[in-house]
Amino acid sequence: DSGVTQTPKHLITATGQRVTLRCSPRSGDLSVYWYQQSLDQGLQFLIQYYNGEERAKGNILERFSAQQFPDLHSELNLSSLELGDSALYFCASSPREGISYEQYFGPGTRLTVT
Amino acid sequence: GQSLEQPSEVTAVEGAIVQINCTYQTSGFYGLSWYQQHDGGAPTFLSYNALDGLEETGRFSSFLSRSDSYGYLLLQELQMKDSASYFCAAPSGDSWGKLQFGAGTQVVVTP
Repeated sequence: DSGVTQTPKHLITATGQRVTLRCSPRSGDLSVYWYQQSLDQGLQFLIQYYNGEERAKGNILERFSAQQFPDLHSELNLSSLELGDSALYFCASSPREGISYEQYFGPGTRLTVT
Repeated sequence: GQSLEQPSEVTAVEGAIVQINCTYQTSGFYGLSWYQQHDGGAPTFLSYNALDGLEETGRFSSFLSRSDSYGYLLLQELQMKDSASYFCAAPSGDSWGKLQFGAGTQVVVTP
């Protein structure tokens, strides 16, 4: 158990819908990272927040957005969902703002878009 | 840009030694990490090499050669529970917070 929690564990929704994935980092960690893992794309970095502020951005679609709240939990919002958005979404945390080679991953949310 | 290349699959028997290679191309390099992921599970951090040489952690060791843009993960005394995917990863040269992963190597351990 990494200490990172994610909810929900599974999510099934229809195309065009909007969903929110939630993540709570390990106690004391200020950085939260979001990743998407699909069979054809591997593990892709989406975005990083540090203490409430966006710090790094990957190939995150405009339909996707995230935020980190004062209590440090983070939410990833996915809208206008497409079939291709079906994937495992992981949240990770670390105490570092900058280089973070050691990240602690949550159990993931499996999103299925039908 | 940055890319990390690793073999897609390796098969070995219990008790054997497996080496997973990772070659990288990056505009800025801050070290190489290794993660393990079991089917349906979350990636778990294994090791990190910032400098050249070998880092040993129990049955697993990781090596880095910055001059050759190459690293490897060595799994010794293989056990069935080591069957998993192994990813090399490196912080991106353009954004330290961004960790870029290789495509992963599926290690299959047979009895």
